Amino acid sequence: DAKTTQPNSMESNEEEPVHLPCNHSTISGTDYIHWYRQLPSQGPEYVIHGLTSNVNNRMASLAIAEDRKSSTLILHRATLRDAAVYYCILRDTGNTPLVFGKGTRLSVIA
Amino acid sequence: EAQVTQNPRYLITVTGKKLTVTCSQNMNHEYMSWYRQDPGLGLRQIYYSMNVEVTDKGDVPEGYKVSRKEKRNFPLILESPSPNQTSLYFCASSRRYNEQFFGPGTRLTVL
Repeated sequence: DAKTTQPNSMESNEEEPVHLPCNHSTISGTDYIHWYRQLPSQGPEYVIHGLTSNVNNRMASLAIAEDRKSSTLILHRATLRDAAVYYCILRDTGNTPLVFGKGTRLSVIA
Repeated sequence: EAQVTQNPRYLITVTGKKLTVTCSQNMNHEYMSWYRQDPGLGLRQIYYSMNVEVTDKGDVPEGYKVSRKEKRNFPLILESPSPNQTSLYFCASSRRYNEQFFGPGTRLTVL
């Protein structure tokens, strides 16, 4: 399975942008890059996913490097409610399981 | 409201006493799965189902059973629970290739 590498933790000030990095140097051509987050005492929640082009939705933006060996999840204005563990996951085009790593624990400071 | 529900949300039981954790989704999703989450180990998949009557093992299936008789339900069965199955369990569902929706979790303690 292709693996991802994320920092264990990051900290951000409220209302500042946050850039959460993810390295996936062994990504294959059919792997999509998915991001999920898990708020305290809740189940994981889908954030965004992409293949090659940058993606935007109401929650976040996903910037994918041209060689696809890394990506960055961008929260444009962090709020206290964004404090969570963020998981970067590679998943191919089949309905394969999500393989969760340790993720990045994001703390947001008021 | 589109959702995945799990019952019970909390359960304390004793070793060897059979139990079932139910999972139901109202989104007509084909794909459903069960995960367990343990400190330091993250989320690991137990079983998954691509559609009715189709189930397959995930990474940690030992000690668990599942069934998929109807599209909306995917119960997790522990025939003879042991203390090492004490964990936080999540059910999830999705349309094929799309994002997964997770339930609120079931915290199980086996004494």
